[in-house]
Amino acid sequence: ELKVEQNPLFLSMQEGKNYTIYCNYSTTSDRLYWYRQDPGKSLESLFVLLSNGAVKQEGRLMASLDTKARLSTLHITAAVHDLSATYFCAVDKVARDDKIIFGKGTRLHILP
Amino acid sequence: GAGVSQSPRYKVAKRGQDVALRCDPISGHVSLFWYQQALGQGPEFLTYFQNEAQLDKSGLPSDRFFAERPEGSVSTLKIQRTQQEDSAVYLCASPPDRGPDTQYFGPGTRLTVL
Repeated sequence: ELKVEQNPLFLSMQEGKNYTIYCNYSTTSDRLYWYRQDPGKSLESLFVLLSNGAVKQEGRLMASLDTKARLSTLHITAAVHDLSATYFCAVDKVARDDKIIFGKGTRLHILP
Repeated sequence: GAGVSQSPRYKVAKRGQDVALRCDPISGHVSLFWYQQALGQGPEFLTYFQNEAQLDKSGLPSDRFFAERPEGSVSTLKIQRTQQEDSAVYLCASPPDRGPDTQYFGPGTRLTVL
């Protein structure tokens, strides 16, 4: 059974600091996703990672994937208050005709 | 339309009522997924359609939950005899048919069962 674990589940940090969210998954998957969710809103796609060693960056966020370790990281550089949200890691097995399995999410609160 | 739309956005039901939640996927997208997101949790898979065929309904929590997509476009998730534990946000997702892209999620319907 495909499972996804994120840590930490809650994170409070100061603006300007760097931090990393970790995502472990239990079995081989085809794709690794990172989503952002603001309170009361739907899911916004941040990154899709497909292959071992993949690294993608957008602004202050950078995601990487190590398929051998079944580990993805979401790194936040010089955090700003606007990045406060819940971040979900998710994986799926078979191209598009299978469900996405989500982690429980990391609730990030950045103090101004 | 440009994205996935869902209606209603908010629904309050008394315990025991039946509800119907609607999803309009991105035009032409073959696949459609429903997820349930309880408060403070990640979304959990409910069911999946390819065109009008329901290929996976393993995530439906009970036989009170029923989904359909009769013409392969709009989908309806119906919950009969709602219970308090059904309170959640119900998300619809519509992935593109080609390319390693992500699923596009609708805004969700927040269901509160009193």
